[in-house]
Amino acid sequence: AQSVTQLGSHVSVSEGALVLLRCNYSSSVPPYLFWYVQYPNQGLQLLLKYTSAATLVKGINGFEAEFKKSETSFHLTKPSAHMSDAAEYFCAVSELGANNLFFGTGTRLTVIP
Amino acid sequence: GAVVSQHPSWVICKSGTSVKIECRSLDFQATTMFWYRQFPKQSLMLMATSNEGSKATYEQGVEKDKFLINHASLTLSTLTVTSAHPEDSSFYICSARDPTSGGDTQYFGPGTRLTVL
Repeated sequence: AQSVTQLGSHVSVSEGALVLLRCNYSSSVPPYLFWYVQYPNQGLQLLLKYTSAATLVKGINGFEAEFKKSETSFHLTKPSAHMSDAAEYFCAVSELGANNLFFGTGTRLTVIP
Repeated sequence: GAVVSQHPSWVICKSGTSVKIECRSLDFQATTMFWYRQFPKQSLMLMATSNEGSKATYEQGVEKDKFLINHASLTLSTLTVTSAHPEDSSFYICSARDPTSGGDTQYFGPGTRLTVL
């Protein structure tokens, strides 16, 4: 069975500072991993995904994430936060061929000017 | 990239009435679509998986007679909330899986906010 744990329901960073959102997963088989962003009253937008290719994945808006099998982690980072990055971020895991996406509980990112 | 739309984006209805929400994949054919429910400040909860031309698969605890799902074409799935009550008020989000996109990626619609008075 798969599960996702996002450490920190709220993260605050100053504008221009490093963004680090943590995600750890549990899966009995090699997983597919995703990060989604949700702005208020909107659906989810795919930021990036890991599908067993390169372990360092680059996404949109300057975000990237690194798959570390030994740590069962897929943390999301961005070198310099922008005010427009303030949103809710969800990590999700699925298995190859499976329909279901299992979501973490989300991390709300606040960017302080 | 793949685009999924939902209609309406916001609906208010009276208790006891039924509401239909549409989910469309605009630039790809989706054999599988998903319906999620999201309560305020919480994560998404999968309600059901909708497969084109067959019955939907509901998650445990989701009433199939209350949340009717129809996936009549490769680009359209509908969720009908029957006899809605205030506790059904929520943000409903659909997603569609693009089989041509590597990694079984799901693309999400913008969501529908349902308020039942």
